[in-house]
Amino acid sequence: RKEVEQDPGPFNVPEGATVAFNCTYSNSASQSFFWYRQDCRKEPKLLMSVYSSGNEDGRFTAQLNRASQYISLLIRDSKLSDSATYLCVVNFGGSNYKLTFGKGTLLTVNP
Amino acid sequence: SAVISQKPSRDICQRGTSLTIQCQVDSQVTMMFWYRQQPGQSLTLIATANQGSEATYESGFVIDKFPISRPNLTFSTLTVSNMSPEDSSIYLCSVVGRLNYEQYFGPGTRLTVT
Repeated sequence: RKEVEQDPGPFNVPEGATVAFNCTYSNSASQSFFWYRQDCRKEPKLLMSVYSSGNEDGRFTAQLNRASQYISLLIRDSKLSDSATYLCVVNFGGSNYKLTFGKGTLLTVNP
Repeated sequence: SAVISQKPSRDICQRGTSLTIQCQVDSQVTMMFWYRQQPGQSLTLIATANQGSEATYESGFVIDKFPISRPNLTFSTLTVSNMSPEDSSIYLCSVVGRLNYEQYFGPGTRLTVT
């Protein structure tokens, strides 16, 4: 069975805090990995793809550990505007592009 | 990324009726998908909309309940047939980007069945 498991949250942090989200996936043959952000009553938006070498985009750092089947997202110096649900998403391989979504972790950044 | 629009943005429907949701993309895309997001839940893939052939449905979803059309590379429709309150959800279409299998989502259609 192909599953994606995330920290259930919710996370409540003050502005400026560093927060980390963790995610595990069930299939070692998984091909592509992503973090999406979903604001309340909005569609999911791609935050970043996750590469084996790890990648950074400003305050956001994503890491992948294929051996442990583990993905992480680190947000530094969190802003009020970072408040959203963060979705861990995996493409389990093949040419079908099908994505499997974790249940999401709700982050609230407080002033 | 492609610009994706959906119609309607929301609707309230009576049980037993059907609703057709449209998804329009501003450029030609090969892969297009339909997802459902039930209240408080994450996204679940309904089907892959194939241009020129029948859609490919995921386990638990059938063509009679969710017929899909894909007449060209920029447009698709999803019909929710014979609706019941359990069909109350957000329905989203998505398209595959050009790099690394990432997908981009339409704004969604919020359906309430009474």
